[in-house]
Amino acid sequence: DVKVTQSSRYLVKRTGEKVFLECVQDMDHENMFWYRQDPGLGLRLIYFSYDVKMKEKGDIPEGYSVSREKKERFSLILESASTNQTSMYLCASTTAGTGIYEQYFGPGTRLTVT
Amino acid sequence: DAKTTQPPSMDCAEGRAANLPCNHSTISGNEYVYWYRQIHSQGPQYIIHGLKNNETNEMASLIITEDRKSSTLILPHATLRDTAVYYCIVRAPLPGTYKYIFGTGTRLKVLA
Repeated sequence: DVKVTQSSRYLVKRTGEKVFLECVQDMDHENMFWYRQDPGLGLRLIYFSYDVKMKEKGDIPEGYSVSREKKERFSLILESASTNQTSMYLCASTTAGTGIYEQYFGPGTRLTVT
Repeated sequence: DAKTTQPPSMDCAEGRAANLPCNHSTISGNEYVYWYRQIHSQGPQYIIHGLKNNETNEMASLIITEDRKSSTLILPHATLRDTAVYYCIVRAPLPGTYKYIFGTGTRLKVLA
């Protein structure tokens, strides 16, 4: 069964802290994504990676960085957390190829920055 | 990618068919229609996708009009567990493009 897991379901951090969100997929997918979801704004793409050590900025990369050292793992880093980064963070993965593919999502991490 | 329009909310009686419409009047010839749903506090889940023919799988059916300007997702026998937000997404499977644009979707409530 296809599986994308995220390190935490709920996380509370203080302003200025460095925050790591981890995502692991067991499907040998080449592509991995980080989104954030806010009420009324839908899902917005932060970063994606199409291969190990490769990354591309999404629509809202400011304040975030990512790391992909292994194919199965994609990390989102908030260098200095701010209250406007309080959100639901969703990781997803897909296989490469023709592009006609579905994205598999993890359960999400609800991050609160105080 | 083409823009989609969905009603913000719908109700459906348990056991009845739920028909969720999506308008994508500016769809291009190479763009597919995808449907996802998101149950409360979970990540989105893929349901089905299609290009121009109607499609069916174990979860749902997708009906695309002949001019491809709109589509309908059908859940044939809705259950309480189908209560979720349903997203209709249109995108072209171009090499090197991976982005999905999720709008605000339709909030389906299945009533007992």
